[in-house]
Amino acid sequence: NAGVMQNPRHLVRRRGQEARLRCSPMKGHSHVYWYRQLPEEGLKFMVYLQKENIIDESGMPKERFSAEFPKEGPSILRIQQVVRGDSAAYFCASSPVRDRGGTEQYFGPGTRLTVT
Amino acid sequence: AQSVTQLDSQVPVFEEAPVELRCNYSSSVSVYLFWYVQYPNQGLQLLLKYLSGSTLVKGINGFEAEFNKSQTSFHLRKPSVHISDTAEYFCAVRRANQAGTALIFGKGTTLSVSS
Repeated sequence: NAGVMQNPRHLVRRRGQEARLRCSPMKGHSHVYWYRQLPEEGLKFMVYLQKENIIDESGMPKERFSAEFPKEGPSILRIQQVVRGDSAAYFCASSPVRDRGGTEQYFGPGTRLTVT
Repeated sequence: AQSVTQLDSQVPVFEEAPVELRCNYSSSVSVYLFWYVQYPNQGLQLLLKYLSGSTLVKGINGFEAEFNKSQTSFHLRKPSVHISDTAEYFCAVRRANQAGTALIFGKGTTLSVSS
């Protein structure tokens, strides 16, 4: 039973380029959360998606960032025109149901984005 | 809004010694509490969680935590640590009884176990 998969594990982009981060949830999970971990910081919530729906994007920067979770295929976090401040580890987590808060979120290994 | 404070950024300890990692939270609503562990270059793994009931919660790898509502704390303990426990530990809260809420994390505590 494969866990949450993220790719690439490491991504290097020059300033101004686009970064695409992919997350495949655990089998049977239809809810995905994206978190960002800046150096020396804890994880910060970015966006919560169900298949074909963005449920909560209150943690997402207003510009350059977007996320999707299509009916088929992985969830994608897209960062346009990257800047050095976007360098961070990006984690996705999946859960099986839209729970009442007590269900475990299963985390992927993360994508470490470096902007040069 | 909720917030989490992990009182120690780094905790060095010798193998087989006991350890306590401290976590305090702030919230105007009921929350669930979690401890996650992150090994180098890996994702987060759930150690334990408190939803309701007994305030002493046992988790994996010999860890336990005690929920103290009056002190708004959820400290993590292990009576005897191993070298393999060296990792980053995150305390987190999540709003209770509300669908689809995100985890709010503390900044983490680095546990370093040496021989």
